Amino acid sequence: QKEVEQDPGPLSVPEGAIVSLNCTYSNSAFQYFMWYRQYSRKGPELLMYTYSSGNKEDGRFTAQVDKSSKYISLFIRDSQPSDSATYLCAMSAVGFQKLVFGTGTRLLVSP
Amino acid sequence: GAVVSQHPSWVICKSGTSVKIECRSLDFQATTMFWYRQFPKQSLMLMATSNEGSKATYEQGVEKDKFLINHASLTLSTLTVTSAHPEDSSFYICSARVANEQFFGPGTRLTVL
Repeated sequence: QKEVEQDPGPLSVPEGAIVSLNCTYSNSAFQYFMWYRQYSRKGPELLMYTYSSGNKEDGRFTAQVDKSSKYISLFIRDSQPSDSATYLCAMSAVGFQKLVFGTGTRLLVSP
Repeated sequence: GAVVSQHPSWVICKSGTSVKIECRSLDFQATTMFWYRQFPKQSLMLMATSNEGSKATYEQGVEKDKFLINHASLTLSTLTVTSAHPEDSSFYICSARVANEQFFGPGTRLTVL
């Protein structure tokens, strides 16, 4: 079993839809949770960073962490074609040294 | 967020040659940088962790004599792919750590003919 599981998609939605992206993990030591967006042939861009459990909102993006269920989510409201990309979840333990990534979910938002 | 640059953005070389990729943190100092490799439609694979002034820590299965990493200053880390072969063709991405966040460079696409 992988430490971090993420559905690779692709996930296709119409413009304006609410998108839900999710990851599950097995290591209870993870405390730091991130979501990255990666466009084709580009480096990942940090979207959201959350420490421990709870919600965090930034514009159209909301990140949720449920440590009891070992489950994290990223919600995108009013999705736009420009949101079409691969979304990677990543996490690390306290005493941060390296990130463990999910496989990434490819999102396609059609006009 | 913090800005990380990589140079070159793409490189094509002949088999057997060595290629150096630079990773710079532009507006901050990074004591720790990371090097990743990514194959098409796959996630990032950590190759090594680079700490300024010390030897890099390589992940299991990564040949340290083939992938030479130097972190000579707080703003620069380099990855040298020695005696490159076609199977080394990939997308190489560096990142730099700031507190508990990690910021990535734009990546370098290496093609070995």
